Amino acid sequence: AQKVTQAQTEISVVEKEDVTLDCVYETRDTTYYLFWYKQPPSGELVFLIRRNSFDEQNEISGRYSWNFQKSTSSFNFTITASQVVDSAVYFCALSEAYSNYQLIWGAGTKLIIKP
Amino acid sequence: DTAVSQTPKYLVTQMGNDKSIKCEQNLGHDTMYWYKQDSKKFLKIMFSYNNKELIINETVPNRFSPKSPDKAHLNLHINSLELGDSAVYFCASSQRTGVNYGYTFGSGTRLTVV
Repeated sequence: AQKVTQAQTEISVVEKEDVTLDCVYETRDTTYYLFWYKQPPSGELVFLIRRNSFDEQNEISGRYSWNFQKSTSSFNFTITASQVVDSAVYFCALSEAYSNYQLIWGAGTKLIIKP
Repeated sequence: DTAVSQTPKYLVTQMGNDKSIKCEQNLGHDTMYWYKQDSKKFLKIMFSYNNKELIINETVPNRFSPKSPDKAHLNLHINSLELGDSAVYFCASSQRTGVNYGYTFGSGTRLTVV
């Protein structure tokens, strides 16, 4: 069973539009961690955010914001006023004690920002 | 100062060869990992070592053998390479305590088997 689901395979928007990337997870642990990583065309994995299961506060960092909803097991990521440099594959991941804290990855969402 | 370094960055080799990828971290982390990213960008854990001890060994062909000489190093040796081994391999490390501080990744090794 898929533990981390990123249902959007690819999203294409025009620059300056807002875009939301969805992430739904499943876990049997009460303590777990959720992550977002960015993989630009150059290939490296860039850490964006870590959220633990006890902290449901939404987070904003510049044009990026994250909405963590335990009730729906979702951890969605919004980019406001998107820019071409935001084009990348974005991964949501889960880390739980049950799985020895390995990162369990979603399939990724490819985001294309057109000028 | 690179936190997690992998070498080589690119590796092109023929089927049947044996090759190694090296990984070193200078963060003082207890746990190191190998992840494989296939051509569809799907990332999957292969191995995890905590203080030189193997703690995760996913269903990986036994042609893949990790070696951890100390907690700062986790190398990946692959015997009898096959075309299907072509992928990007990422090394990562984390501080495995009661609170999970996250993971630091190397820049990846793109392995191409021809």
